[in-house]
Amino acid sequence: GDSVTQMEGPVTLSEEAFLTINCTYTATGYPSLFWYVQYPGEGLQLLLKATKADDKGSNKGFEATYRKETTSFHLEKGSVQVSDSAVYFCALNQLQGAQKLVFGQGTRLTINP
Amino acid sequence: EPEVTQTPSHQVTQMGQEVILRCVPISNHLYFYWYRQILGQKVEFLVSFYNNEISEKSEIFDDQFSVERPDGSNFTLKIRSTKLEDSAMYFCASSRDRYGYTFGSGTRLTVV
Repeated sequence: GDSVTQMEGPVTLSEEAFLTINCTYTATGYPSLFWYVQYPGEGLQLLLKATKADDKGSNKGFEATYRKETTSFHLEKGSVQVSDSAVYFCALNQLQGAQKLVFGQGTRLTINP
Repeated sequence: EPEVTQTPSHQVTQMGQEVILRCVPISNHLYFYWYRQILGQKVEFLVSFYNNEISEKSEIFDDQFSVERPDGSNFTLKIRSTKLEDSAMYFCASSRDRYGYTFGSGTRLTVV
């Protein structure tokens, strides 16, 4: 079945550092790819998405490019802030079927001032 | 911005008891979902609901679980006889299409 694998956390960085959180997937066909963020005590919020190969999703300074050849969707940000501290989830869904999301295990990010 | 509302935010129940988790999806959404997240683990799909019936369910969603949309606005998840391993954060979500999921803030269920 479909699956998503994220880099192990936790990740701790200093403010203004460059961030990369790796995400790779296994899926048949051409899934859509997502990054969700979960701030402490809150639900899952969509951060960005890409629906086809070579698409780049971007939001709040975060970017991720849908790479079909490497089955990856790595999350990047050039200069992180303390407010970016959260858990980040990579996810996919398929065009067919019930459109459920398949999530990675999540990566906890902590940014120190 | 429209929200998905879940109640209660935290529920503690004794093993063997029935619990009902409630969700109010976004009003013009057509697809409804329940997911759960056991502490420290990944978010897992439980069930999807469309057109007043279950469209897909996972292996986790056994006979102890049921979902209902009783009045056209609420969407509930019932666990008939809770087990310790049901302790988790339960998320409701709704969507209009395959891209626009909105999640609620979750209900933390603790079974003691």
